[in-house]
Amino acid sequence: DTGVSQNPRHKITKRGQNVTFRCDPISEHNRLYWYRQTLGQGPEFLTYFQNEAQLEKSRLLSDRFSAERPKGSFSTLEIQRTEQGDSAMYLCASSVGQGATEAFFGQGTRLTVV
Amino acid sequence: EDQVTQSPEALRLQEGESSSLNCSYTVSGLRGLFWYRQDPGKGPEFLFTLYSAGEEKEKERLKATLTKKESFLHITAPKPEDSATYLCAVQAGNSGYALNFGKGTSLLVTP
Repeated sequence: DTGVSQNPRHKITKRGQNVTFRCDPISEHNRLYWYRQTLGQGPEFLTYFQNEAQLEKSRLLSDRFSAERPKGSFSTLEIQRTEQGDSAMYLCASSVGQGATEAFFGQGTRLTVV
Repeated sequence: EDQVTQSPEALRLQEGESSSLNCSYTVSGLRGLFWYRQDPGKGPEFLFTLYSAGEEKEKERLKATLTKKESFLHITAPKPEDSATYLCAVQAGNSGYALNFGKGTSLLVTP
């Protein structure tokens, strides 16, 4: 399967713990995005990388959230000191090229904070 | 501020009953409008990209159209397997490459 891969698919954690998610984009896609989706809502943009550079971050993104994309390949999203409000589906997407091009999404990581 | 509004929130159709989903948008400098399909518990699946008013795209029973203020996703003779949430998203010139999504339309097609 050459699509966007996300791990783990599900994560249950206790409030206050740190969690890290991984995203492997489609090979040779230079852009990588992270989104968060809660029930009944559309995905909400978190951050965006072009190759290894983090070019955009949502102003809604808490300082507890950090993302990296070393060497412009896979990416990780870490949430520190998790809160119940962090419970959501975390989606990764990737795209290639210049201008407005379609992004392809992974299956997501479902986070539950108890 | 960019806004994307989808209607209706939910739609129930009989198999074979054609209908349309609406996506109204307010953005500064539209780069592209995207339609996705999302099944429960899964990530969005790309359907179409529209770039300029008057553009149309088709795929099987789906047809997407675009005006300067809104987009429609027309579903012709739907089947139960078309049941899903359909998401509309815009990419605007003042927001980099982030997609701004609507809340989606939940479609149920009954036999």
